[in-house]
Amino acid sequence: DIQMTQSPSSLSASVGDRVTITCQASRDISNYLNWYQQKPGKAPKLLIYDASNLVTGVPSRFSGSGSGTDFTFTISSLQPEDIATYYCQQYDTLVTFGGGTKVE
Amino acid sequence: QLQLQESGPGLVKPSETLSLTCTVSGGSISSSSYYWGWIRQPPGKGLEWIGSMSYSGSTYYKSSLKSRVTISVDTSKNQFSLKLNSVTAADTALYYCARRSVIRGFFDYWGQGNLVTVSS
Repeated sequence: DIQMTQSPSSLSASVGDRVTITCQASRDISNYLNWYQQKPGKAPKLLIYDASNLVTGVPSRFSGSGSGTDFTFTISSLQPEDIATYYCQQYDTLVTFGGGTKVE
Repeated sequence: QLQLQESGPGLVKPSETLSLTCTVSGGSISSSSYYWGWIRQPPGKGLEWIGSMSYSGSTYYKSSLKSRVTISVDTSKNQFSLKLNSVTAADTALYYCARRSVIRGFFDYWGQGNLVTVSS
């Protein structure tokens, strides 16, 4: 199975900060990488698909980049409502989620 | 608006079989554009994909769970189901059902989750 290593596992940031999360695949997955946001007690919400495509209605402060094995998720200016846990997910071969990054 | 709803027991004894059903409303499960899958989340931990199934019956399972998992679909009831046998405490988790795009690979609709505790 493809392993997805997400880092950091948690981070502390202030409103207005730029937040960056990385996700590394154990082998080349092209751009078959999605990003989700999960708030406590809620199901995950899709934010970005195919590494860099923003889902309609998701604020433009969220962005994604990368291909192959290395991917980045960025919040350009952290807002209070962005406090959540973020997950990457590959679908090149079956499905694997990263371990998650808790943004506090 | 598509909705998914998990149902099933909240408590299962060790070594027994966990059975959950996901009822899909607001849309048909019989679409070649989507897979229907299960994801779980142990308390305080991350997401783990269990497996997915197409309406036509093709199944895909996580390697480490493959020997214990069966996902099936009932198109007449617009439902799909999960069976996980020989459960242990490590299978205690919030179990989500979700719809997955075949082409894009993302999960776009999720159920609210069904907490299953494995305990005697």
